[in-house]
Amino acid sequence: DIQMTQSPPSLSASLGDKVTITCQASQNINKYIAWYQQKPGKAPRLLIRYTSTLESGTPSRFSGSGSGRDYSFSISNVESEDIASYYCLQYDNLWTFGGGTKLELK
Amino acid sequence: QVRLKESGPRLVQPSQTLSVTCTVSGFSVTSYHVSWVRQPPGKGLEWVGAIWKGGSTDYNSALKSRLSISRDTSKNQVFLKMNSLQTDDTGTYYCAKGTGGWGYFDYWGQGVMVTVSS
Repeated sequence: DIQMTQSPPSLSASLGDKVTITCQASQNINKYIAWYQQKPGKAPRLLIRYTSTLESGTPSRFSGSGSGRDYSFSISNVESEDIASYYCLQYDNLWTFGGGTKLELK
Repeated sequence: QVRLKESGPRLVQPSQTLSVTCTVSGFSVTSYHVSWVRQPPGKGLEWVGAIWKGGSTDYNSALKSRLSISRDTSKNQVFLKMNSLQTDDTGTYYCAKGTGGWGYFDYWGQGVMVTVSS
């Protein structure tokens, strides 16, 4: 089974900050990683697929990069609506989520 | 318009079996895989299992011995059964539509909160 190690578990940011979340896979996942946003009481929302492809409707302040085992997700110019939890998902071999990152306002 | 909706009991007793139904519209379960994902209160997401468009299944290795996923193609429904429930199986259970191939999850149901308690 592929393991996904996501960090940090929580993040505190001010409006306008840039924040970065990382996910490391236990093996090469060939860029098959997606990123989701989840707000309390809601289902996850797909933001990015295949490492860096923004889903329709995802604001351009969101971005993703990486290769091999190491991937990152960034939000530039954090807005209040971005306060949420974020999860990575590998889909190279079955599916595994990272542990999640809770983004809070400083 | 793609939609998924979970239904099932909100309360299940320990050691009993959970049965949850995912009713989909806007696509056929014979065209895309459907997965189950769960989330304990205040914790992260965990992939539970999937049924492929051809009807075969894959399960999370940690849960495999307790799981069964099946479907009714005539009703466009997918079923999750998990036996020997314990309190740490409490959480929200989501069904999600996969994209082609292994595929990420592009559409999700609203989830059903299940509490395991006597």
